[in-house]
Amino acid sequence: NAGVTQTPKFQVLKTGQSMTLQCAQDMNHEYMSWYRQDPGMGLRLIHYSVGAGITDQGEVPNGYNVSRSTTEDFPLRLLSAAPSQTSVYFCASSILAGKYEQYFGPGTRLTVT
Amino acid sequence: DAKTTQPPSMDCAEGRAANLPCNHSTISGNEYVYWYRQIHSQGPQYIIHGLKNNETNEMASLIITEDRKSSTLILPHATLRDTAVYYCTAQNFGNEKLTFGTGTRLTIIP
Repeated sequence: NAGVTQTPKFQVLKTGQSMTLQCAQDMNHEYMSWYRQDPGMGLRLIHYSVGAGITDQGEVPNGYNVSRSTTEDFPLRLLSAAPSQTSVYFCASSILAGKYEQYFGPGTRLTVT
Repeated sequence: DAKTTQPPSMDCAEGRAANLPCNHSTISGNEYVYWYRQIHSQGPQYIIHGLKNNETNEMASLIITEDRKSSTLILPHATLRDTAVYYCTAQNFGNEKLTFGTGTRLTIIP
C-alpha cells in the first residue's frame, strides 16, 4: 500500500489564483480529513468526510472547498488564494471516524505571495 | 470531544525515559486517548492509544490514571530520533471532528 499520498509537495501561488491540492489513499478508508499547520502551531481541521458523497466543515473551513466523489480521493480546493493561506497542508485517513488511528500524508507546503 | 492540555516543551537526556504528560479532565467514558508524534515537518504518526488500561507497544507505553483525567506517554530509552512534537488527543467512535492541540515539543539532549 502506498498509504496516503499528496500532490504537489510544494506550491507557490499568487494572491487570487486558484488551485487544488490532491489527496488519495489506497487503504479503503471511509474517513478522510484535511488539516493546516502554520509555523510553530498545531494542526487545525479544515474539512472532513465520513464517506463518498459526504463532507463537512472543520474548525477553519473558510476559503476552502472539498468534495468526495470516490472513497479514494479527497481534493482540497482554494478558490482565490490569500497570503493567510500560506501553510503546510496535511491530508489524513482512517478506517472509521474516531474509532481508529489516522494515517497522515507527507504534506503540501503552500506559499501565497 | 474532550479538550487535552500538554506542556509546550520538554527536554530529556538521551538513553533516559521520556515521560510526556497529558491532562484530559473532561474525557468521557467512551473516549480513547490517542498519541501521535510529528518529526520535523513530516506528517504526524500514530504511536499508541488506550481506554482505561495501560498499554504498551514497540514504540511506547501509555499509562492512564484510574480516574482517566490524565495520562503519560513513556518512551523508555529515548534516542535523538525521538525529538519531535507529541500530540495527545481524545476521540471516540462517531466523533467526526478529530482535532489536535498544540502538543509538546520534546527535545532529546545528547
